[in-house]
Amino acid sequence: GDSVTQMEGPVTLSEEAFLTINCTYTATGYPSLFWYVQYPGEGLQLLLKATKADDKGSNKGFEATYRKETTSFHLEKGSVQVSDSAVYFCALSDEGYGGSQGNLIFGKGTKLSVKP
Amino acid sequence: DVKVTQSSRYLVKRTGEKVFLECVQDMDHENMFWYRQDPGLGLRLIYFSYDVKMKEKGDIPEGYSVSREKKERFSLILESASTNQTSMYLCASSLWASTNEKLFFGSGTQLSVL
Repeated sequence: GDSVTQMEGPVTLSEEAFLTINCTYTATGYPSLFWYVQYPGEGLQLLLKATKADDKGSNKGFEATYRKETTSFHLEKGSVQVSDSAVYFCALSDEGYGGSQGNLIFGKGTKLSVKP
Repeated sequence: DVKVTQSSRYLVKRTGEKVFLECVQDMDHENMFWYRQDPGLGLRLIYFSYDVKMKEKGDIPEGYSVSREKKERFSLILESASTNQTSMYLCASSLWASTNEKLFFGSGTQLSVL
């Protein structure tokens, strides 16, 4: 079945460092891809998404490009801040339930800690 | 702003108890979901509902049931709580049944079963 694999954490960076969190996926169809972020004590919220190959999602300085040839959707940020400390989840849509139902399949999450 | 509210932030129950986790959304969304989040396992879908009184099993429905009597409310029920159901439970909703539609999450309920 469909699946998402993301790099294991935790990842610890200094402020202003470059961030990459790797995400690869397996899917039979043409899924949409998402990054969700979970700040301490909160639920998940959508960070960015891409719905077709070569699309780039971006938000709050984060970017990810939907690469069909490498089945990847790596998350990047040029200069991280302490406030970016959170758990990041890669996810893909899944049409397996009831045909049109857009359920999400999540990776296991990567915890990012940014030190001042 | 969209809001998904889970009734309890922390809950402690005993083995064998019947447990109700409540979730309410104020956005007139069609779809609602229950996930559990465990360290090293990420989020796993328990049940979802795409309409009132409709429900579908997710990946790990065993030991759980759900109820959706009204559009805005989706309840997760643990019929007889067990220690392996200690977890963070996240409720979510989305407007449509679409692969592009984003989910809105509640803040979660940390359930401990003793």
